[in-house]
Amino acid sequence: AQTVTQSQPEMSVQEAETVTLSCTYDTSENNYYLFWYKQPPSRQMILVIRQEAYKQQNATENRFSVNFQKAAKSFSLKISDSQLGDTAMYFCALTISSGSARQLTFGSGTQLTVLP
Amino acid sequence: DVKVTQSSRYLVKRTGEKVFLECVQDMDHENMFWYRQDPGLGLRLIYFSYDVKMKEKGDIPEGYSVSREKKERFSLILESASTNQTSMYLCASRIFRDSTYNEQFFGPGTRLTVL
Repeated sequence: AQTVTQSQPEMSVQEAETVTLSCTYDTSENNYYLFWYKQPPSRQMILVIRQEAYKQQNATENRFSVNFQKAAKSFSLKISDSQLGDTAMYFCALTISSGSARQLTFGSGTQLTVLP
Repeated sequence: DVKVTQSSRYLVKRTGEKVFLECVQDMDHENMFWYRQDPGLGLRLIYFSYDVKMKEKGDIPEGYSVSREKKERFSLILESASTNQTSMYLCASRIFRDSTYNEQFFGPGTRLTVL
């Protein structure tokens, strides 16, 4: 079984500053994928960034980047130049590479508030 | 763009009622999922479906059942609603490919209150 832990229920950051959201996970599998999903207030969940475990290079998507530490089973999300529209609940999630449906295991979420 | 829709944004039901939550996706995705989202617990998988007429239990299937008669539609059924099933319910879908992972696309959610 897989587990995902987000130890920061709430965080805040000033607009234009940088913030890092933490995530740790546990799996006995060697091949897996990690994700950060964003759920804005009253809006649909969307994928922010994805990391394949076999890739050493950290994924980057515009202002969003990850720090993937496979040995430590850590997967943090860094948001640079924070914008008001980044205010949302952020979920870290994991899926293993085997199995047909590849269901996701989610963390409990971090509520991020960007302050003007 | 992939679109996943859910039949209701808000729903209020009474204890003991039979409740149907409908999810429809328009991208011919094989896999579909039902999650419930509760504060402090994140999203937990209730049921998922590999393809039409196929279903598998997730982590918390008790008190729920599902139906997938058509590829685009995945229904979650609460046979006899109870107050502890008050929650946000999220549907998701994804295309199945053997060699690459494809993200799950989520619906807007249904906030169910059972009185």
